[in-house]
Amino acid sequence: QKEVEQDPGPLSVPEGAIVSLNCTYSNSAFQYFMWYRQYSRKGPELLMYTYSSGNKEDGRFTAQVDKSSKYISLFIRDSQPSDSATYLCAGGVYGGATNKLIFGTGTLLAVQP
Amino acid sequence: DVKVTQSSRYLVKRTGEKVFLECVQDMDHENMFWYRQDPGLGLRLIYFSYDVKMKEKGDIPEGYSVSREKKERFSLILESASTNQTSMYLCASSPQGTPNTEAFFGQGTRLTVV
Repeated sequence: QKEVEQDPGPLSVPEGAIVSLNCTYSNSAFQYFMWYRQYSRKGPELLMYTYSSGNKEDGRFTAQVDKSSKYISLFIRDSQPSDSATYLCAGGVYGGATNKLIFGTGTLLAVQP
Repeated sequence: DVKVTQSSRYLVKRTGEKVFLECVQDMDHENMFWYRQDPGLGLRLIYFSYDVKMKEKGDIPEGYSVSREKKERFSLILESASTNQTSMYLCASSPQGTPNTEAFFGQGTRLTVV
């Protein structure tokens, strides 16, 4: 079983829709969670991070963590064509000297104008 | 602006060749990472380093080695390239410290082994 599971999609939505991207994880040692966005032919860039259960909001984006069910979500409100990208969730372990991230496979999102 | 620069965007190498992928970061980060990204498998950690001359195996180190002689530079070495090492390779760096420090990624090197 992969430590972080993510539906690869593709997910296609109309502009303005609310998007829900989801991951499950199996590693109870994860201390923090991150969402990265990766545009085509680019490296991933950090979108949001959280290290506790509950919601964290940043503009149109909301990250949600439920540690009891090992479930993490990213919601995008009023989605735009510029949101079209691959979204990667990751769980992190702080190993003292370094931080190690375990990534899901990524979900490809297409927002249609 | 943090910059992680990978020396090549695209590389084509022959089976059996020794291949060097270079990564340089300009933010004085302690941690550096090499991942490979494949469709359906996501990003998988090959090696990471948390200090000069220090290295730790990731999840898929077989067939790879690394070198970190200077803080800003982290090299990935394919000792004898094989076709199953055709992939997108991503380098990342992050500062040492709190658990939620951000990893900054380079643009990636798409390696094809023929």
